[in-house]
Amino acid sequence: KAGVTQTPRYLIKTRGQQVTLSCSPISGHRSVSWYQQTPGQGLQFLFEYFSETQRNKGNFPGRFSGRQFSNSRSEMNVSTLELGDSALYLCASSFREYEQFFGPGTRLTVL
Amino acid sequence: AQSVTQPDIHITVSEGASLELRCNYSYGATPYLFWYVQSPGQGLQLLLKYFSGDTLVQGIKGFEAEFKRSQSSFNLRKPSVHWSDAAEYFCAVGAPGAGSYQLTFGKGTKLSVIP
Repeated sequence: KAGVTQTPRYLIKTRGQQVTLSCSPISGHRSVSWYQQTPGQGLQFLFEYFSETQRNKGNFPGRFSGRQFSNSRSEMNVSTLELGDSALYLCASSFREYEQFFGPGTRLTVL
Repeated sequence: AQSVTQPDIHITVSEGASLELRCNYSYGATPYLFWYVQSPGQGLQLLLKYFSGDTLVQGIKGFEAEFKRSQSSFNLRKPSVHWSDAAEYFCAVGAPGAGSYQLTFGKGTKLSVIP
């Protein structure tokens, strides 16, 4: 089975721009979660989608949003980028409770 | 809300030596517990998990972990470390019945291996 894929792998943006990251879960997985990883804050939960519905959201500003499509693929969007948004964004999919499989991440650099 | 503490930011061991990485959690009941490993520039790979039952769990790559309820700990061990084990290790907890698969991670322990 193919693993979780994330595109693009690397992204460079400037402050004020917006960005969309994509995640394709493992086939059959209906849950997709997003995490932000930075050296200072570590791994922080952004949100989780299950069958196209957002089930939970972490403590991030409204500039961070996401969605899930009927094929379980998910996108996250960050609007009005700030320098502090530079991070590795990880997507994880899950078939059964809590056992999450992570993608390689998208490295976002904001200049 | 649950939290996870990994007291050791960085550990260095010699190849062939034993390893123990510490993890303490805070949660009102028994959580689901996980250890993940991350190599530089990569995503996280699941090493092992504990949901219930036997408190000593075996994982991939020769790792094991023991759940100790009285100490709120879930320490990761390996009897003999290989150079390829050098990576960052994350302990994580999930809250059963919370209606979400959200995991809360510790800050990680970076493992260096001396050949």
